[in-house]
Amino acid sequence: GESVGLHLPTLSVQEGDNSIINCAYSNSASDYFIWYKQESGKGPQFIIDIRSNMDKRQGQRVTVLLNKTVKHLSLQIAATQPGDSAVYFCAERWDSSYKLIFGSGTRLLVRP
Amino acid sequence: GAVVSQHPSWVICKSGTSVKIECRSLDFQATTMFWYRQFPKQSLMLMATSNEGSKATYEQGVEKDKFLINHASLTLSTLTVTSAHPEDSSFYICSARRTSGKNEQFFGPGTRLTVL
Repeated sequence: GESVGLHLPTLSVQEGDNSIINCAYSNSASDYFIWYKQESGKGPQFIIDIRSNMDKRQGQRVTVLLNKTVKHLSLQIAATQPGDSAVYFCAERWDSSYKLIFGSGTRLLVRP
Repeated sequence: GAVVSQHPSWVICKSGTSVKIECRSLDFQATTMFWYRQFPKQSLMLMATSNEGSKATYEQGVEKDKFLINHASLTLSTLTVTSAHPEDSSFYICSARRTSGKNEQFFGPGTRLTVL
């Protein structure tokens, strides 16, 4: 289930289950969104992206859903594996400067 | 391809000293690079946008005289933390936007700064 930690909410799932990580974004004018995975002490790693003219995009074991009406993104990970344990951030491309604004993040813990 | 490096990967310095962090795009040209700061258990906060050959654009609340950014070439941007204090201890991450193609951004591995 979900719990709120000191700063990062944590999602704990059983290995093999599906995970759903949610994110609320800020700018209704943002046109591009990305999910990143960050392992401890490392930089963010690209997972999947989606443009604002789409509402769903699938990758390998991952799916991103975009709901512009409520400014909400979700990342679905199928058959979650121990290697998926990390912190996940959504990011929105704020404007034509290409700067990315990151969401608050969710820690995913995969129980063996 | 599309590798971004940072140097150093970690640094410890005394309060009051200045520290320079380098961000390099190794196999592509990057007109724009971005600098982020990340405190423990928090998200990445954008500090500034670094444009090759021009002045950096700082986010609100980021002191430009304290965090000096230089983007002298299409493959190198530097962040200098001047007169560092313990509260500047953080994880500094850069990203580089590829000039050609899809304009994707690629992130560096980060630099851990500890100010004693």
